[in-house]
Amino acid sequence: QKEVEQNSGPLSVPEGAIASLNCTYSDRGSQSFFWYRQYSGKSPELIMSIYSNGDKEDGRFTAQLNKASQYVSLLIRDSQPSDSATYLCAVTDTGRRALTFGSGTRLQVQP
Amino acid sequence: GAGVSQSPRYKVAKRGQDVALRCDPISGHVSLFWYQQALGQGPEFLTYFQNEAQLDKSGLPSDRFFAERPEGSVSTLKIQRTQQEDSAVYLCASSEGGQKETQYFGPGTRLLVL
Repeated sequence: QKEVEQNSGPLSVPEGAIASLNCTYSDRGSQSFFWYRQYSGKSPELIMSIYSNGDKEDGRFTAQLNKASQYVSLLIRDSQPSDSATYLCAVTDTGRRALTFGSGTRLQVQP
Repeated sequence: GAGVSQSPRYKVAKRGQDVALRCDPISGHVSLFWYQQALGQGPEFLTYFQNEAQLDKSGLPSDRFFAERPEGSVSTLKIQRTQQEDSAVYLCASSEGGQKETQYFGPGTRLLVL
């Protein structure tokens, strides 16, 4: 069983809409949670990190964490075509420094 | 400052060849990680160094994979007797160290084994 699950998509939203990306994880002891963006042929780029329950906002991006439900999400407001990419959810498991990634959700923002 | 750099960016190897992939982390970063990313998948952890010490190599898929970081800076990932299933992008990441460390990724080395 994969430890971090994401819907592969593609998730298609119109320009200006809110894109909602979801991720579940299996390790209850996970401490740190990250969202990376990866354009085709490029390396992952950090978008957001979140460590405690609740919401964390940074510009158009909001990360939400619910440890009881083992669920983390990323909201992108006012989506732009340049947001079209694969979004990777990553967690650090208990006692480890390594990141465990989901398979990513492909987001398409339609102009 | 400069980001994580990796070389070569592309490598084509014949099956059975040995390859060496290099990673230059961000200056001063204590932690260094190697990941393998197959097409359409998320990166998968291979190994982790803190300075020169290899603290976790649980992700290395076989004894053909070997990594080192002898002076606590540059790291090399070596794959011996390459197989077609080794074809992937190999990503290096570094971080400052500490409990809530953010990992910054290099551009990756795309390895194709024929």
